[in-house]
Amino acid sequence: LAKTTQPISMDSYEGQEVNITCSHNNIATNDYITWYQQFPSQGPRFIIQGYKTKVTNEVASLFIPADRKSSTLSLPRVSLSDTAVYYCLVGDNGDTNAGKSTFGDGTTLTVKP
Amino acid sequence: DAGVIQSPRHEVTEMGQEVTLRCKPISGHDYLFWYRQTMMRGLELLIYFNNNVPIDDSGMPEDRFSAKMPNASFSTLKIQPSEPRDSAVYFCASSLLSGLAGTGELFFGEGSRLTVL
Repeated sequence: LAKTTQPISMDSYEGQEVNITCSHNNIATNDYITWYQQFPSQGPRFIIQGYKTKVTNEVASLFIPADRKSSTLSLPRVSLSDTAVYYCLVGDNGDTNAGKSTFGDGTTLTVKP
Repeated sequence: DAGVIQSPRHEVTEMGQEVTLRCKPISGHDYLFWYRQTMMRGLELLIYFNNNVPIDDSGMPEDRFSAKMPNASFSTLKIQPSEPRDSAVYFCASSLLSGLAGTGELFFGEGSRLTVL
């Protein structure tokens, strides 16, 4: 399974755009890239998933280059409430449902006023 | 849907006592997962079920841990006897394998925070 690498922590200020990059050099053809968000004292929550190019929803955008060896989660105009841990997972739907897409350490994003 | 429901939210117990954590997955989901989260080890998968059948329990730390899923709407994680090092937040999650179009999205409960004194 593809191993992911992401920064341990990031700081930002309210109103800024935040980009969190995840490296997954060994991504397989059938793998999707999925991002989760976890607030303190809560379980992780699905944010976005993509396979290639760009995906956007009401919360975030996900940019995936053609080689798919990395991906960037983009959070527009962050607020204090976006302070959380962000996890990048790689795997196909079967891996996800087999619990094989591991969560790793995630990126702790701290948004300051 | 009410989402994944876990109980208790908090449990404080003494070493040696039996602990039972409970989970109700989202109706219709065919996968159920138990995770443990600590500062030192992060989020670890303990065991998962597919259609109520345990598929992979390789993450269960030792024989003191056991999990059951007697039906599609209920699962338990039991620790007997409990030890201080079992102190952690235990999460239950469920998902639906929806074939080619599915995201395999995991839906987590709010967790059960266990403290073993």
